[in-house]
Amino acid sequence: EVQLVESGGGLVQPGGSLRLSCAASGFTFSSYWMHWVRQAPGKGLVWVSRINNDGSSTSLADSVKGRFTISRDNARNTLYLQMSSLRADDTAVYYCARDPGYLDYWGQGTLVTVSS
Amino acid sequence: SYELTQPPSVSVSPGQTARITCSGDALSKKYAYWYQQKSGQAPALVMFEDRKRPSGIPERFSGSRSGTMATLTISGAQVEDEADYYCYSTDISGDHRGVFGGGTKLTVL
Repeated sequence: EVQLVESGGGLVQPGGSLRLSCAASGFTFSSYWMHWVRQAPGKGLVWVSRINNDGSSTSLADSVKGRFTISRDNARNTLYLQMSSLRADDTAVYYCARDPGYLDYWGQGTLVTVSS
Repeated sequence: SYELTQPPSVSVSPGQTARITCSGDALSKKYAYWYQQKSGQAPALVMFEDRKRPSGIPERFSGSRSGTMATLTISGAQVEDEADYYCYSTDISGDHRGVFGGGTKLTVL
């Protein structure tokens, strides 16, 4: 059974940093591209970032470019999102999702709250 | 930047046909995907590559794409279909950046 479990969310002050993790199981993690998607409270889904299967290629949404970094550890079956210079408008549930050409399986999300 | 546009809301009575549209220039070249999100849950894929249903999705769900518009159709909508629906695609830049539509709240009552 495919499982994606996000962790690392929490309350952080504006300007702070946080690293999210997504632990994958039930499939060959190193064979799949992966994504992060976020959803602010009461708002829609917003694509954040993606990484290819070996980590050699990444892309980021303009809104997070220069502040967020996506990475992966295929030996640990884990996807990461390093977030820095956090702002109030980064407050959201962050989901990781698997990509076999589209986003098929999603985790349950981890909440990041940026507030003083 | 690349955008996908959806109507904010669609409302039908049970048993009626609901149609949710998604428009964007890159849809003339890229597939559309559709996600259903019920309150408090993670999104779930209900349509991929315009018109293909994942295993477990009822046959009343269908999809199409023509020109720059994709449509998700729910024939004989049920109360349990009430949810937010999002279209998704990728840009044409070659950078494989994703984009979601703004979402459509489907009300069935």
